[in-house]
Amino acid sequence: AQSVTQLDSHVSVSEGTPVLLRCNYSSSYSPSLFWYVQHPNKGLQLLLKYTSAATLVKGINGFEAEFKKSETSFHLTKPSAHMSDAAEYFCVVTGSNTGNQFYFGTGTSLTVIP
Amino acid sequence: DADVTQTPRNRITKTGKRIMLECSQTKGHDRMYWYRQDPGLGLRLIYYSFDVKDINKGEISDGYSVSRQAQAKFSLSLESAIPNQTALYFCATSSTGTSFTGELFFGEGSRLTVL
Repeated sequence: AQSVTQLDSHVSVSEGTPVLLRCNYSSSYSPSLFWYVQHPNKGLQLLLKYTSAATLVKGINGFEAEFKKSETSFHLTKPSAHMSDAAEYFCVVTGSNTGNQFYFGTGTSLTVIP
Repeated sequence: DADVTQTPRNRITKTGKRIMLECSQTKGHDRMYWYRQDPGLGLRLIYYSFDVKDINKGEISDGYSVSRQAQAKFSLSLESAIPNQTALYFCATSSTGTSFTGELFFGEGSRLTVL
């Protein structure tokens, strides 16, 4: 079975400080993992994805994530938060190599304090 | 214009009414999905379609039905709306075969309120 757990429902950081959003997954297969961002009143946009290539994945807007199989984790990081990073973030895992199903975490709301 | 377009963007209706949410896409993707978003629950899959003749139930299909009128169009219906169907609904598409990237492309959502 496939599932995703986002360990924090809400994270607050000060502008200019690092961001860490945590995600653990459970998958019976070699997973593909994604982070999506949702700004207020908008649809979801892909930030980055891991599909069995390099374990450190770089995405848009300075975000990156590291796939750690031994820890079944795929945490999202950014060295320095910007006000525009305030949004909802979703970790997603696919259930098979063909991506028949996408399993979403419950989301982490990121607040950036000026 | 957006690649994935949902209509209406906002709708308020009453219990028992029939509601249709429409989705159209210009990405040429075979796969289309309907998700529901509720605060604290993330996105949950209602229905998905891998082509015009292939429609499948997701984890929360009860109370919903869908129609895939063409490759580009995928509609979600609530035959008799009830208040706990108040939510934000998203349509999404993805590619397949050799062009598969694993990425979902989302519309901007349809906010439905059932009174």
